[in-house]
Amino acid sequence: QSVLTQPPSVSGAPGQRVTISCTGSSSNIGAGYDVHWYQQLPGTAPKLLIYANNNRPSGVPDRFSGSKSGTSASLAITGLQAEDEADYYCQSYDSSLSGHWVFGGGTKLTVL
Amino acid sequence: EVQLVESGGGLVKPGGSLTLSCAASGFTFSHYSMNWVRQAPGKGLEWVSSISSSSSYIYYADSVKGRFTISRDNAKNSLYLQMNSLRAEDTAVYYCARKPLDSSGWYFDYWGQGSLVTVSS
Repeated sequence: QSVLTQPPSVSGAPGQRVTISCTGSSSNIGAGYDVHWYQQLPGTAPKLLIYANNNRPSGVPDRFSGSKSGTSASLAITGLQAEDEADYYCQSYDSSLSGHWVFGGGTKLTVL
Repeated sequence: EVQLVESGGGLVKPGGSLTLSCAASGFTFSHYSMNWVRQAPGKGLEWVSSISSSSSYIYYADSVKGRFTISRDNAKNSLYLQMNSLRAEDTAVYYCARKPLDSSGWYFDYWGQGSLVTVSS
């Protein structure tokens, strides 16, 4: 059971917009800690996609965007492309007793 | 170009030990905090351990505390993870990952390709 909750899967057709949610609590996202997102293509290492809630590293297309509100965060992907099919993970910091850095369980994006 | 290359993975029996290494290049290793993150087969990512640039601060996940030891050698641009008393549930791909410099949040901007550790009799 992950500290941050993501839907196991989402899907969309090419060109569509999809969102992936990341729900936390008052000890992580709700406490004001930043949320970061990673993309993991099949068989590869994770890649930083969004940092500090809504910032894109150099080279990440502006089709990817992040937002945060309250105890949740979201990753939005517009103009869906076949190469976006991957697993997506959110990550934050948790201040509870067993805290430190925590990941969501991951969301598998399928491009139909 | 930033490169992180893990090595040292393999098959080990329950209760055994293994040391992972991560060779860094393309950046000033001694300036950066470094991390280990693992991924069990078919599962999600799990943060394992972190170490600050000068080894002053070290953190472990509860699941590995007391069994794993993170260390670094800045002269050799290398990060290590000594794993003792290994259990079946430690079976995973272990990634070495860098924390960006001067970032307010703690996240991972570069990742290695991973090293598979299999704990099985």
